[in-house]
Amino acid sequence: DTGVSQDPRHKITKRGQNVTFRCDPISEHNRLYWYRQTLGQGPEFLTYFQNEAQLEKSRLLSDRFSAERPKGSFSTLEIQRTEQGDSAMYLCASSYRGTSGTDFYNEQFFGPGTRLTVL
Amino acid sequence: QQQVKQSPQSLIVQKGGISIINCAYENTAFDYFPWYQQFPGKGPALLIAIRPDVSEKKEGRFTISFNKSAKQFSLHIMDSQPGDSATYFCAPKTSGTYKYIFGTGTRLKVLA
Repeated sequence: DTGVSQDPRHKITKRGQNVTFRCDPISEHNRLYWYRQTLGQGPEFLTYFQNEAQLEKSRLLSDRFSAERPKGSFSTLEIQRTEQGDSAMYLCASSYRGTSGTDFYNEQFFGPGTRLTVL
Repeated sequence: QQQVKQSPQSLIVQKGGISIINCAYENTAFDYFPWYQQFPGKGPALLIAIRPDVSEKKEGRFTISFNKSAKQFSLHIMDSQPGDSATYFCAPKTSGTYKYIFGTGTRLKVLA
């Protein structure tokens, strides 16, 4: 396992179309995060899973965005009816929470991202 | 609205010099203070992080200084090298959650 992978790396779509991105985390990691990064800005938190449960979702997300992690392994992020403002880099990260109750601070490992361009 | 303000936006340093990047926050409900490094076309990577019960942490050439009362933490890169040229983000974690609030980033260029 060489790290977090994302597919596709680049996606160009027309406004109004639906797109789906996939993230494969590091195999033993049980936490998975999605972020959006626009040019010249830091990543913005979108949502977070622990195993298959979606525990937090940003208010930045409209109902056009949905994320799933059905078996607690890979995750998908779908954007429906894309808009030009959705153009950004979509980053996935994963981390591992140990069984120890003190293992609260954990390192996120980021994937290379999927660059979305909406025409 | 939690806010994280990072400065400067960009920084140019001579090889061997010290690079200092600052992060100020308004919300006290952060409990973990990492710095990330990002190269063009790559995702961010954790560089160094500090817990709020520690005022300073050093790992090699990288040091975090944390001032809880001033709600600030900074990254110091000693003996800066051209390979350190990248964008740096502070990203404090909201207490009780796994939500990280990234700063706007500092683009560092180290001249050879």
